[in-house]
Amino acid sequence: DIQMTQSPSSLSASVGDRVTITCQASQDISNYLNWYQQKPGKAPKLLIYDASNLETGVPSRFSGSGSGTDFTFTISSLQPEDIATYYCQQYDNLPHTFGQGTKLEIK
Amino acid sequence: QVQLVQSGAEVKKPGSSVKVSCKASGGTFSSYAISWVRQAPGQGLEWMGGIIPIFGTANYAQKFQGRVTITADESTSTAYMELSSLRSEDTAVYYCARVSRTYLIAAGAFDIWGQGTMVTVSS
Repeated sequence: DIQMTQSPSSLSASVGDRVTITCQASQDISNYLNWYQQKPGKAPKLLIYDASNLETGVPSRFSGSGSGTDFTFTISSLQPEDIATYYCQQYDNLPHTFGQGTKLEIK
Repeated sequence: QVQLVQSGAEVKKPGSSVKVSCKASGGTFSSYAISWVRQAPGQGLEWMGGIIPIFGTANYAQKFQGRVTITADESTSTAYMELSSLRSEDTAVYYCARVSRTYLIAAGAFDIWGQGTMVTVSS
């Protein structure tokens, strides 16, 4: 199975800050990488697909980049409603695997 | 817009089975894979397996092989996940999710999710 390692596991930032989360795959996955946001008690929501494509309806302050084994997810200006846990997920090979999550809090 | 609506919460005894349903409405069902993802309390996301309803064959994560059965009924636009030999570690929220690309389980993103079904395994 492909292992996905996210960092940091938790992050505290202020409103308006630029926030960056990284995700590293245990092998080359090209751009087969998605990012999700999950708020407490809710299902995950797709934000970024194929490493850098913004899902329809998702605010443009969210972005993604990377290919191969190293990927980055960025919130350009943190908003209070962005408080959530964020997950990366690879689909290069079955089984689909997720990073362990990054819990984002407001400072 | 497609919506996925799951069945309600379940409480099960160790060693028993649970079957969770996921009904699609508002769009095409058969040509998109439905995957099942679970989340134990306070933990991350874990893919269990998936099915493309029009083909009827399922793929499973090795971890769940032999214990999970995923099926789909095209006539009712409903997918099912049955997990047997339940143990306390199976206590989790179980989600169904649509894969964004047609005719593929392995490729694409989970673009539409059900609301989740809490399964509690307790004696």
